Amino acid sequence: AQSVTQLGSHVSVSEGALVLLRCNYSSSVPPYLFWYVQYPNQGLQLLLKYTTGATLVKGINGFEAEFKKSETSFHLTKPSAHMSDAAEYFCAVSSKAAGNKLTFGGGTRVLVKP
Amino acid sequence: EAQVTQNPRYLITVTGKKLTVTCSQNMNHEYMSWYRQDPGLGLRQIYYSMNVEVTDKGDVPEGYKVSRKEKRNFPLILESPSPNQTSLYFCASRSDQGSGIYNEQFFGPGTRLTVL
Repeated sequence: AQSVTQLGSHVSVSEGALVLLRCNYSSSVPPYLFWYVQYPNQGLQLLLKYTTGATLVKGINGFEAEFKKSETSFHLTKPSAHMSDAAEYFCAVSSKAAGNKLTFGGGTRVLVKP
Repeated sequence: EAQVTQNPRYLITVTGKKLTVTCSQNMNHEYMSWYRQDPGLGLRQIYYSMNVEVTDKGDVPEGYKVSRKEKRNFPLILESPSPNQTSLYFCASRSDQGSGIYNEQFFGPGTRLTVL
């Protein structure tokens, strides 16, 4: 079975500071990893994904994530937070073995202080 | 505009009164899925469909039904809703061309359901 753990349900950062959201996964086979963002009163939209190849993945809005197999992690970062980054962020995992199931973490809500 | 639409966006109902939440996508996607979102639990998959007349259970299917008679529509049916089904529901779709399960899922705006 696959699972995702996001450390910290709420994160507060100052505008211009580093954003770091932690995600650890469990999967018995090579995982496909995703980060989605949910803005208030909206559905989710894809930020970035890792399937194979380069372990540092760049996404939209200046976000990036690094796949570290040895640590079973896929942490999301952005060097400089913007007020518009205030949202809830979800890490998710899938795999060929899991078929068409996409398993989400519990989410991390980001508050950006001016 | 490519999109996933859901109706209604908000619904308050009473225990036992059958309801249907509609979902429609205009991207000709093969794969569609329903999720529920609860605080601290993230999104959990209820049912998914690989194509017309092909559906399968996700992680939390109890108390729900789905159907896929047309490629664009994937309604979620609660035959006898209970208070523990109070939640925020999302429909999503994905193309299965090319990369298949690597592909992005597109989400609808959500339906907030309250069962009294």
